[in-house]
Amino acid sequence: GENVEQHPSTLSVQEGDSAVIKCTYSDSASNYFPWYKQELGKRPQLIIDIRSNVGEKKDQRIAVTLNKTAKHFSLHITETQPEDSAVYFCAASLQTGANNLFFGTGTRLTVIP
Amino acid sequence: KAGVTQTPRYLIKTRGQQVTLSCSPISGHRSVSWYQQTPGQGLQFLFEYFSETQRNKGNFPGRFSGRQFSNSRSEMNVSTLELGDSALYLCASSLLGLALETQYFGPGTRLLVL
Repeated sequence: GENVEQHPSTLSVQEGDSAVIKCTYSDSASNYFPWYKQELGKRPQLIIDIRSNVGEKKDQRIAVTLNKTAKHFSLHITETQPEDSAVYFCAASLQTGANNLFFGTGTRLTVIP
Repeated sequence: KAGVTQTPRYLIKTRGQQVTLSCSPISGHRSVSWYQQTPGQGLQFLFEYFSETQRNKGNFPGRFSGRQFSNSRSEMNVSTLELGDSALYLCASSLLGLALETQYFGPGTRLLVL
């Protein structure tokens, strides 16, 4: 099956700085890559996703890049704010079959005011 | 539209017991997936249901089972509970369960096995 690795496991940044989280995947058949944000005690919320026919997608302060050749994708958050503090999960989904997601192990982001 | 709902939100059981968790998807969504979240193993896929049929199953023992009703609501059952089953159980719904569809998560059921 698919194996998704995520780094770093923890990340602390000063408010206003950028944060980058990286993920790699093993199965070249994967072609859907969502990112979820999970605040303490809450459900995972989709913040951005990318499909394999594009290399980059942006939504205000959040962007995701995908390199299919190298099988890695990254989340970029610019101008971080304290409310960005949460655990972020990357995931990958195979093109065929049902839509079960394979998740990375999560990155705990702390934005220091 | 109302989001994905799960009941109960918290459960305490003892080893050997069984438990049933419920998930109501977003109205119109026909696919429901279940995930187990633990500090050690992270988020792991359990199974997915579409039109009352299990289409895909993760690598969990047969003690974990589920079903889906004609209104797309889903239940999962864990029999002969073990301490290691303590986890947050999340369900997620999507429209048709296609590989490129967004999945929307419920708040989860936190299960503690004593």
